[in-house]
Amino acid sequence: GNSVTQMEGPVTLSEEAFLTINCTYTATGYPSLFWYVQYPGEGLQLLLKATKADDKGSNKGFEATYRKETTSFHLEKGSVQVSDSAVYFCALRGNNAGNMLTFGGGTRLMVKP
Amino acid sequence: GAVVSQHPSWVICKSGTSVKIECRSLDFQATTMFWYRQFPKQSLMLMATSNEGSKATYEQGVEKDKFLINHASLTLSTLTVTSAHPEDSSFYICSAGVPGGANTEAFFGQGTRLTVV
Repeated sequence: GNSVTQMEGPVTLSEEAFLTINCTYTATGYPSLFWYVQYPGEGLQLLLKATKADDKGSNKGFEATYRKETTSFHLEKGSVQVSDSAVYFCALRGNNAGNMLTFGGGTRLMVKP
Repeated sequence: GAVVSQHPSWVICKSGTSVKIECRSLDFQATTMFWYRQFPKQSLMLMATSNEGSKATYEQGVEKDKFLINHASLTLSTLTVTSAHPEDSSFYICSAGVPGGANTEAFFGQGTRLTVV
């Protein structure tokens, strides 16, 4: 079956530091890949997505590139802010899965001033 | 983007009582909605797929008689936690997608934090 593995947190960074959160996946065919963000006490919000190999999703300074050869979709940001503190989830949607998502374990990011 | 509204956002109930959580698609019709559960500091686990006009499909290990799902219309799915116990305390989140194929986006409700005392 499909699965998503992402680095365990928490990740603690100082403001303006570079962020990488690793995500790898296992799936048959050509899944779509997503990063969701969950701020404290809130539901999930879509951060970015990529639907085919070599696509780069980007939003709010975050980027992730769909790498089929390494089955990865690592999240990066060049300069994090305190307001980026949240839990980040990598997810995939397989072919014919409708809108059902398979999530990674989540990575908590804490950014200190 | 499309909006999914979940209500209530939090609820505290006594052990043994039942709690109903609503998930509405506000500006689109959703033939399928998904219910997830999130334990503290853990990921979301799919509980069930709610299908409009038919029975829900439950994931392995999820008690269908305890977590009753009703999807009576194209814009509303409800999850009822029956005879709640403290171990049912969790964050429940629903999602729905705008129909249109494999590349449609899933939109999430705000989540419901259930505390059973």
